[in-house]
Amino acid sequence: ETGVTQSPTHLIKTRGQQVTLRCSSQSGHNTVSWYQQALGQGPQFIFQYYREEENGRGNFPPRFSGLQFPNYSSELNVNALELDDSALYLCASSSGTSGGARNEQFFGPGTRLTVL
Amino acid sequence: AQSVTQLDSHVSVSEGTPVLLRCNYSSSYSPSLFWYVQHPNKGLQLLLKYTSAATLVKGINGFEAEFKKSETSFHLTKPSAHMSDAAEYFCVVSALYNQGGKLIFGQGTELSVKP
Repeated sequence: ETGVTQSPTHLIKTRGQQVTLRCSSQSGHNTVSWYQQALGQGPQFIFQYYREEENGRGNFPPRFSGLQFPNYSSELNVNALELDDSALYLCASSSGTSGGARNEQFFGPGTRLTVL
Repeated sequence: AQSVTQLDSHVSVSEGTPVLLRCNYSSSYSPSLFWYVQHPNKGLQLLLKYTSAATLVKGINGFEAEFKKSETSFHLTKPSAHMSDAAEYFCVVSALYNQGGKLIFGQGTELSVKP
């Protein structure tokens, strides 16, 4: 069974640029959630994708957008990068959206984004 | 609204002594609660989860947590710390069904283990 993978591992961008982060979900999982973890903070929910549709969004501006593909892999896109976007971006996959202990979320290792 | 508060940002123990990481939660409904661990440069790993089947939950690596509704607490404990336990620990509550099951994380507790 393959776990959740993310690419790239590290990324450096400058203010105003755009970035795309990628996530491959664990085998058998149809739901992907994205989280932003700023330095010294707990992860914050960005949004979730279920069967290629957005299924819930946190308090992030529209310049944060995403996609989910038929194979359930996902992309996180961030436009007009700001310095505060520097963070670890985590992807988690699960087998459903009902949450709780029934649909445990499995996390990838994350992508470290630095915005200069 | 649901939230979790981790009462200590940093805990330091000696190897072989007990570990206590404190977490209080707020929820309008019976919550789903978790503890995750994050080692440096590694992803989040689930330690244990509260499923409402039993108030004392046993997890991996000797950790356990007790759900206390009257105190709205879900503290994480381990009888004897090991050097490999040094990491960041997060108490987490799962949002309600209609919010897609998003996870709401506490601010984290950094555990240091001294030889």
